[in-house]
Amino acid sequence: KQEVTQIPAALSVPEGENLVLNCSFTDSAIYNLQWFRQDPGKGLTSLLLIQSSQREQTSGRLNASLDKSSGRSTLYIAASQPGDSATYLCAVVPISSGSARQLTFGSGTQLTVLP
Amino acid sequence: GAGVSQSPSNKVTEKGKDVELRCDPISGHTALYWYRQRLGQGLEFLIYFQGNSAPDKSGLPSDRFSAERTGESVSTLTIQRTQQEDSAVYLCASSLSASAEQFFGPGTRLTVL
Repeated sequence: KQEVTQIPAALSVPEGENLVLNCSFTDSAIYNLQWFRQDPGKGLTSLLLIQSSQREQTSGRLNASLDKSSGRSTLYIAASQPGDSATYLCAVVPISSGSARQLTFGSGTQLTVLP
Repeated sequence: GAGVSQSPSNKVTEKGKDVELRCDPISGHTALYWYRQRLGQGLEFLIYFQGNSAPDKSGLPSDRFSAERTGESVSTLTIQRTQQEDSAVYLCASSLSASAEQFFGPGTRLTVL
C-alpha cells in the first residue's frame, strides 16, 4: 500500500528565506505527483503537477522536483513571504489505484513565514 | 471559468439524521472525486466518477455512504444515519480525466452532534 510522508510536520522561517519541503512515498510506481496548499478552513489549491516522466516543474517562486526511483519529491519556495503561510500537501496517484487514479496524500507540512 | 463549488459550506446535524452534500465540478471535467478530511488526519479517498461509467466506490467507509452523479454534472454525496465519526470536511475534486490535475472545491464541514 502506498504511503506518503512529509517532513517536517511544521516549519517556521523568517520572511525572505528560501526553503525546501520534503515528500517521500513508498512505492515508486506512480502516474504523477501533485503539490497543494491548504489555507485554514479552506479547500486545496493546486500548485504543481509533475508527471512520472518529468523531473521538475516550476511556477513563479515555486519549483518542485521528482525523483521517482528514490521515492522523493521536494518543493522549493524562493524568497518566502508571509502570504506563503499555509499547510502544504503532497499527493501521488499510485499505479495501484486502478481506473480511479485517486490521490494518496501525505499529512502535510504547516509552514509559517514570519514578517 | 468557475472553479469547483460545494454546498453547503457548513452543516450541523444530529446523530441519526441523513445529510446530502453537493458538488458542482468544473465544466467539461469528466472525472469527479470525493475525499474526506477528518480532524488531525490526512485526506481519504471516498468515491470516483468518470463520465457515464460505473463509479469506483472502493473508498466508501460503510453502506451508509452513497453518491450519485448525472453524466458529467453535479454530484451529491449522501450520508444516512449520521454518526459522530462522520464529522469531517468533505472535499470534492474534478479533473479533465483520470490522472490529470485535480482541482478541489472549498469543502463542506460536517459536524454531527
